[in-house]
Amino acid sequence: EPEVTQTPSHQVTQMGQEVILRCVPISNHLYFYWYRQILGQKVEFLVSFYNNEISEKSEIFDDQFSVERPDGSNFTLKIRSTKLEDSAMYFCASRWTLSYEQYFGPGTRLTVT
Amino acid sequence: AQKITQTQPGMFVQEKEAVTLDCTYDTSDPSYGLFWYKQPSSGEMIFLIYQGSYDQQNATEGRYSLNFQKARKSANLVISASQLGDSAMYFCAMREGWRTSYDKVIFGPGTSLSVIP
Repeated sequence: EPEVTQTPSHQVTQMGQEVILRCVPISNHLYFYWYRQILGQKVEFLVSFYNNEISEKSEIFDDQFSVERPDGSNFTLKIRSTKLEDSAMYFCASRWTLSYEQYFGPGTRLTVT
Repeated sequence: AQKITQTQPGMFVQEKEAVTLDCTYDTSDPSYGLFWYKQPSSGEMIFLIYQGSYDQQNATEGRYSLNFQKARKSANLVISASQLGDSAMYFCAMREGWRTSYDKVIFGPGTSLSVIP
């Protein structure tokens, strides 16, 4: 069964460093998302992406964040200058055009020290 | 104001029994959808079931069914014949709007379900 994949599974970085989180959505899906979940808290929407542009973003998704689909398979989230409060699990999700169900990847745990 | 409320932070159920996890939502948009996701201790988010606001019948997927009461704005998840593997955090979530490109999903705080042998 096709699934969303994410790399790396765990990333440790120092405050102020740039990180890129990578996702490979399900191959025939055209809508892509990033969510984050701070430990023990609820899942929060960050951004949605369709047709090579951001369709919606939350207040969390400030100028430090950017997304890109650099090729036909990858979807990335970049955090330019990480802060301690960026430590969280980051989930990528994708969905098919004619369905609302979003399928999540296994997540990348980001730890900022 | 909270868009999604899950009033049960923790629930216990005996194996093989049915359990209902509560979810109420708040929206003024006539077009919306409700999701349930399962998050086991391993951390991944597993899609369980989806109900659209205009769907005539309650959604069902195997042992999962969604008790959708539109007038009460509730979308409770019913798990029949609980199994030990059902022990997990369960999130209710909602999308609003009719445009397929406008589909931010808002999550509730979750309910932790423990299945007792």
